Amino acid sequence: DGGITQSPKYLFRKEGQNVTLSCEQNLNHDAMYWYRQDPGQGLRLIYYSQIVNDFQKGDIAEGYSVSREKKESFPLTVTSAQKNPTAFYLCASTPAQNTGELFFGEGSRLTVL
Amino acid sequence: AQSVTQLGSHVSVSEGALVLLRCNYSSSVPPYLFWYVQYPNQGLQLLLKYTSAATLVKGINDFEAEFKKSETSFHLTKPSAHMSDAAEYFCAVWAGSARQLTFGSGTQLTVLP
Repeated sequence: DGGITQSPKYLFRKEGQNVTLSCEQNLNHDAMYWYRQDPGQGLRLIYYSQIVNDFQKGDIAEGYSVSREKKESFPLTVTSAQKNPTAFYLCASTPAQNTGELFFGEGSRLTVL
Repeated sequence: AQSVTQLGSHVSVSEGALVLLRCNYSSSVPPYLFWYVQYPNQGLQLLLKYTSAATLVKGINDFEAEFKKSETSFHLTKPSAHMSDAAEYFCAVWAGSARQLTFGSGTQLTVLP
């Protein structure tokens, strides 16, 4: 079945460590997004990519990095520079011609110990 | 620039009662508006969308929303709540060439037996 797969679903990290969250889609979508979700704050955009080998910062990109080497993959690295990384991270995708209908993965919950 | 305000972070209704979740938007261009639903520890699913056609939009599970330009509102309603409707609901706006979806802070719906 087509969809978006995020892994791992739960992740624990010690302070000072980098961690990479995986996002893979087999929907043949051009655009991919990473959002961070915190209680009471909705979803905030971290990075997005509209085509391979190109990506743009969202509203809260500091302390995060991404790559888009393949159309189906958009991994997010949470670096040690991110001051408060404990959160629920959501990956989404949409076709190039779409206007707001995002398809979401099931999320990855990162906890920093 | 666009923004979304959801009035009421928590709403409780009795099973069988009317559901009303409020959303007001701000956009410098004609917007596309969306309601998404999120069940615990899952990604978001699209409930319905307004894309400048009919102002009354019907979605899945008997939800509907009405676009009112004069009030800059896009409130979500359902005539009769079901226990399975308990979830968090997000209103979102897509506008302009930035190809970004901006979310409200969410409303947690509780359905009481």
